[in-house]
Amino acid sequence: TQLLKQSPQFLSIQEGENLTVYCNSSSVFSSLQWYRQEPGEGPVLLVTVVTGGEVKKLKRLTFQFGDARKDSSLHITAAQPGDTGLYLCAGEKAMRFGAGTRLTVKP
Amino acid sequence: DAGVIQSPRHEVTEMGQEVTLRCKPISGHDYLFWYRQTMMRGLELLIYFNNNVPIDDSGMPEDRFSAKMPNASFSTLKIQPSEPRDSAVYFCASTLTGGSDTQYFGPGTRLTVL
Repeated sequence: TQLLKQSPQFLSIQEGENLTVYCNSSSVFSSLQWYRQEPGEGPVLLVTVVTGGEVKKLKRLTFQFGDARKDSSLHITAAQPGDTGLYLCAGEKAMRFGAGTRLTVKP
Repeated sequence: DAGVIQSPRHEVTEMGQEVTLRCKPISGHDYLFWYRQTMMRGLELLIYFNNNVPIDDSGMPEDRFSAKMPNASFSTLKIQPSEPRDSAVYFCASTLTGGSDTQYFGPGTRLTVL
């Protein structure tokens, strides 16, 4: 059972465009994490959100945790080829992962 | 620090053979996790340890899978006998606490069972 549903599954955009990916669940999470994974490597933690409604920024990346703590979004401004990778959300202290959004940013 | 170390990086074996994957966590981390990643099922938690003791092995798919952590600096994941459907990338991760702290993943072992 996939408790965390991520959308879209695939996303291909041009450099400079903005994008938003989503992580949704019917369950309430005490915390939610976003990871980025590059080919041949393990996931790397980007951010942890713990408070409903929380917004965190990491350079061009903006993360939001839903008020009900059931969903989250990741917005990237002016995407760059270096942002290419698999973006994973995880709940329950990384016990449950979504299937991920595979992002490709073309130069 | 060298980070989480996994070996081998690639393993190709034949169905029925025993496979042992190895992990060295970051020194001082007291939680260790084993995950499996496939295209079909994504990243799944198999088992995790706290202070070398298995806490939750509910993700271990079958009795063919077993994991041990004989000391704070070493863990193994064993599959015996292996089957083609076990083909996946297996990751080990460690963290200082089991809460929302950063999990550090190793580079993974890509297992192919023919």
